[in-house]
Amino acid sequence: AQRVTQPEKLLSVFKGAPVELKCNYSYSGSPELFWYVQYSRQRLQLLLRHISRESIKGFTADLNKGETSFHLKKPFAQEEDSAMYYCALSRLASGTYKYIFGTGTRLKVLA
Amino acid sequence: GAVVSQHPSRVICKSGTSVKIECRSLDFQATTMFWYRQFPKQSLMLMATSNEGSKATYEQGVEKDKFLINHASLTLSTLTVTSAHPEDSSFYICSAYDRGPNGYTFGSGTRLTVV
Repeated sequence: AQRVTQPEKLLSVFKGAPVELKCNYSYSGSPELFWYVQYSRQRLQLLLRHISRESIKGFTADLNKGETSFHLKKPFAQEEDSAMYYCALSRLASGTYKYIFGTGTRLKVLA
Repeated sequence: GAVVSQHPSRVICKSGTSVKIECRSLDFQATTMFWYRQFPKQSLMLMATSNEGSKATYEQGVEKDKFLINHASLTLSTLTVTSAHPEDSSFYICSAYDRGPNGYTFGSGTRLTVV
């Protein structure tokens, strides 16, 4: 079955501490994975995608096919990182790429 | 960058009435748009794929006659919740693919409350 799992509903860290938001996936094909972020009262927006291998706002994520994971990491959390984070997998269905979203992890960065 | 406008942002309606939600791509054309539903503290669940000029493709378990989708132009898709019931109360979000670096752009969502 195709699935995206984010095991933590809430993650609280202190400012300056490292952050790791976990994401595991189940997909039979070659996955394309994304992280989306939703700040308070704002729309969902793309944070990063695995194919671009870039760092956005200090966040990075590496696709580990052996562990079927795409964890989101940042070495030093900032208060403005507090938001809801969704891991998503893009799958091809009926000729269209569609997302499967994880349940999301709320990150709270404490002062 | 690409912007998707969703309207209204909030709507309250009586049971049995119908509600229409609009999703517009403001500065790009979208042959495909997606409609999601999000329950409180839960993930986004894809309801249907809206295809310009053709019928929408619904995900398993989504009632086609309940959630009518029309994608009459390259910049507008509408979702109509027909004969709404309190259990239809939810947050509805649309997205569109803009072929740019951001890929899929999301609307700001519509909070529907059926009383």
